[in-house]
Amino acid sequence: SQTIHQWPATLVQPVGSPLSLECTVEGTSNPNLYWYRQAAGRGLQLLFYSVGIGQISSEVPQNLSASRPQDRQFILSSKKLLLSDSGFYLCAWSDGDSAYEQYFGPGTRLTVT
Amino acid sequence: SQKIEQNSEALNIQEGKTATLTCNYTNYSPAYLQWYRQDPGRGPVFLLLIRENEKEKRKERLKVTFDTTLKQSLFHITASQPADSATYLCAPSGAGSYQLTFGKGTKLSVIP
Repeated sequence: SQTIHQWPATLVQPVGSPLSLECTVEGTSNPNLYWYRQAAGRGLQLLFYSVGIGQISSEVPQNLSASRPQDRQFILSSKKLLLSDSGFYLCAWSDGDSAYEQYFGPGTRLTVT
Repeated sequence: SQKIEQNSEALNIQEGKTATLTCNYTNYSPAYLQWYRQDPGRGPVFLLLIRENEKEKRKERLKVTFDTTLKQSLFHITASQPADSATYLCAPSGAGSYQLTFGKGTKLSVIP
C-alpha cells in the first residue's frame, strides 16, 4: 500500500531564516506530487505541483520554491521566511496515470516568529 | 475568475439525521468533482469523486450528486454519527487536469 511522509510535524522559525520541508511517498512510482498551504481561516491553496522529476509548476508566485530531486521526493524551500509564510503545509500525491483523487500527508505546522 | 462556495461555514445536526452540504461553483465547468474530509490538525482524506456525466454516486452512508446545470454538488451523510463531525471540502477540477481548487469547507458537528 502507498504511504506518504512529511517532516517535520511542527516548526517554529524566525523571520528571514531558510526553510526546507520534505515529503516522500512509498509504494507507488511516478506519482503526481503537490504542495498546499492552509492558512488560519482560509482554504487549501495549491502552491506547486509536479508530474515528474525536475518538472515543477508554480501556482502562486511567492517566497517559496519547490524541487523534485527523485521520483518520490518533493521538497519545499524558502531562502528567507516571511511572517505571512506561517501556516499548515500539506504534501499530496495522486496516481499520474489513472486517477484524480489526491492523498495527503500528515502536514507540517509552520510558525514564523 | 473561478469561485467555489460551500453553503455555510458550520452546520449542526442531530445524530441520526441526514446532513446535506452544498458546493456551488461559478465561472467554471468542471469535468469532475471530489469531496474530502478534514479533521483538525490533519490532512484531508479523499471520500468520493463524481464525474460530470454521473448524476449520483454512493459509498456506504455517503451520497454525492452533481448538477452541471445548477453548477452545484450536494453531499449527503445519512444516519449521521458524532464520528462524522469534521470539515468537509469540495474540489472541482477540469478534464485532464490534476490540479484541484478547494472550497473553504463546511464544518459539520453531529450532536448526540
